Amino acid sequence: ILNVEQSPQSLHVQEGDSTNFTCSFPSSNFYALHWYRWETAKSPEALFVMTLNGDEKKKGRISATLNTKEGYSYLYIKGSQPEDSATYLCAFTQKTSYDKVIFGPGTSLSVIP
Amino acid sequence: EPEVTQTPSHQVTQMGQEVILRCVPISNHLYFYWYRQILGQKVEFLVSFYNNEISEKSEIFDDQFSVERPDGSNFTLKIRSTKLEDSAMYFCASRPHVTPDRGVVGGYTFGSGTRLTVV
Repeated sequence: ILNVEQSPQSLHVQEGDSTNFTCSFPSSNFYALHWYRWETAKSPEALFVMTLNGDEKKKGRISATLNTKEGYSYLYIKGSQPEDSATYLCAFTQKTSYDKVIFGPGTSLSVIP
Repeated sequence: EPEVTQTPSHQVTQMGQEVILRCVPISNHLYFYWYRQILGQKVEFLVSFYNNEISEKSEIFDDQFSVERPDGSNFTLKIRSTKLEDSAMYFCASRPHVTPDRGVVGGYTFGSGTRLTVV
C-alpha cells in the first residue's frame, strides 16, 4: 500500500516565526510531488508541483524542496503570518499511475498573532 | 481566475437513495477527477476521467459509483444506492493537458466541495 506521511500533524507558531514541515513518500517509480494549501471551508489551492530531484520552488514567503532519491520534500514558510494558518497537504503520483494522486494526511498550521 | 464549481454545497439524503453530485471543471482542462474526504480522514482518490472515459479508479469506486460528462461542460458523480459510510466531502478537480513527455503542466484545481450526509 502506497503511503504518504506528513509531519508534524499540527503546529502552532508565533507570528513572524519561520517554520517547516516534512512530507515523505515512496522513492521508487516517482513521477511528481504536489503541495496544496487548504483553508477551512475553501478548496485546496495548488502551491507547487515538483518533478525533478533537487527541485526548489518558491512562492512569496513559501518555498519547497524535493529529494526523490530518499523520498522526502520540505515546505518552508518564512516569517509566518496569521493568514498562513491552514492545512498543508502533500500529494504524490507515480510513473505507472500518474493520474492517481495519493494525498498525505496534512499538517495543520496555526499562526498566533 | 478560473474556478471549478460544485453544486450543491451540501446534500442530505436517505440511505439507499441515489445522489448526483455536479461539477463544472475549468473549460480548457482535459482531465477530471473526484476525491472524497471522510471527516477526520485523508483525502482519497476516487476516479479520473479523460477523453470521455475513466482512466483510473480506486478500490473505493465500486459498482455503486459512476461518472459522466453528459454535455461537454458538466462532470457528474452518481452514487446509486447511498450508504451511511458514503457521508463525506466530495471534491471535484480538473487539470490541463499533460505534455507529450508526460511532464505535469500545473497542478490540479479543486472545487470547493459538496458535503454529502447520508442519514
